[in-house]
Order: sequence, then structure tokens, then C-alpha cells
Amino acid sequence: DTAVSQTPKYLVTQMGNDKSIKCEQNLGHDTMYWYKQDSKKFLKIMFSYNNKELIINETVPNRFSPKSPDKAHLNLHINSLELGDSAVYFCASSPRTSRNEQFFGPGTRLTVL
Amino acid sequence: QKEVEQDPGPLSVPEGAIVSLNCTYSNSAFQYFMWYRQYSRKGPELLMYTYSSGNKEDGRFTAQVDKSSKYISLFIRDSQPSDSATYLCAMISGGSYIPTFGRGTSLIVHP
Repeated sequence: DTAVSQTPKYLVTQMGNDKSIKCEQNLGHDTMYWYKQDSKKFLKIMFSYNNKELIINETVPNRFSPKSPDKAHLNLHINSLELGDSAVYFCASSPRTSRNEQFFGPGTRLTVL
Repeated sequence: QKEVEQDPGPLSVPEGAIVSLNCTYSNSAFQYFMWYRQYSRKGPELLMYTYSSGNKEDGRFTAQVDKSSKYISLFIRDSQPSDSATYLCAMISGGSYIPTFGRGTSLIVHP
């Protein structure tokens, strides 16, 4: 299946822990993104990578660190998790020829207790 | 005032109805307009993408953009229970490719 995939789908953890979410796309896209969707359903961009380089870093605590080992993968590491980090995190990708058209992964539902 | 306003609903309609979903925006720099459909516990899926004012049709879906009024709409004809989802509008300024999303409208189509 050609798609954007994320693991894990669900993540339940305690405050203060460090966790990672992985994302892979096999669509051949060169731009990847991380979004956060809060409980009110607002989707907000966190980071954007183009060909493994960080190009957008919105106002996000530096506890969040993206890493792109290659242009098909963009992982998100979160240190010292806080209650307010509970949300659904979506990875997305887009082709260079049409960056406005973004393809989203299924999401990772993070719950911080 | 948020840059993109969208009524969260829920909007409940009978099967076969024509559905109208709307967003208003305040940023006149927005040039690209999208509609995404998001099923429960799934990622958003791009439905329609328009650049200019006017209408764009794709099957049962019609996207309409009125830049002078800063208003966009998505019409769904002959709505089906499988159309039940949250519909998010999204907009992009010229020179950017990062969308600003509305909060989504929850649509329920009952048989």
C-alpha cells in the first residue's frame, strides 16, 4: 500500500517520560510535516522537513525534536512529557510539484497521565 | 478573531439531502483553498483543492470560493451515510505551502 504510516497508533505514558513517534511515507514525496490536533480538533503545523532539512519550526517547545534520517522518514521525539501534550499527532507528506496537496497519516493518539 | 472560522456543528441531515458546509476567513493573502474529510480516528484526506474564485466540481462534491466575501463552501449532493465525517477547510497564502485549518464541521447523514 502506498501511504503515510505512523507508529504507534496509541501511546499512553506518564508525565516526565520521553517518547518517540515514527513516520514513514512511500509516496516518493520530498516534504514531510508534523501536525498536532488538539481536543477541539484544531490542526496546527509543528514542523516541516524538505529533503531531510528542517524548513519550518513553528512555536513549539524545544522538548519536541524532529529527526529525518532520510526523505522517507520523519520521527518526532518528545522529552519530559506534560499533560498538555496529550493530543493526536499527524504526520503528512507532499510532493515537490504540488506542496499544497498534503497526504496525512492515520495519527498517533498520545495520552499523558 | 481566528483567521479561519468554521462552525463545528454537528450538522445532521437525512440521506439524499444536499449539504452545505462553509468557512469564512479574514486573511486576504489566502490564495489556495482546500477541503479535507476526516473520518473518526483517521487522518484527514484531501477532497477538493481550488486556486481561484468560482466553482469546482468533482462527482457529488462542489467547492465554491468567493474571495470578495472571503467565504468558501463545499456542497455535497445526494448525501450518503458514508459521508458522515468531519470536514475541515484549509487555506494557504501565496508563497507558502503551510495550510491554516478551520476547526472542522461534524456531518452526520442518517439513513
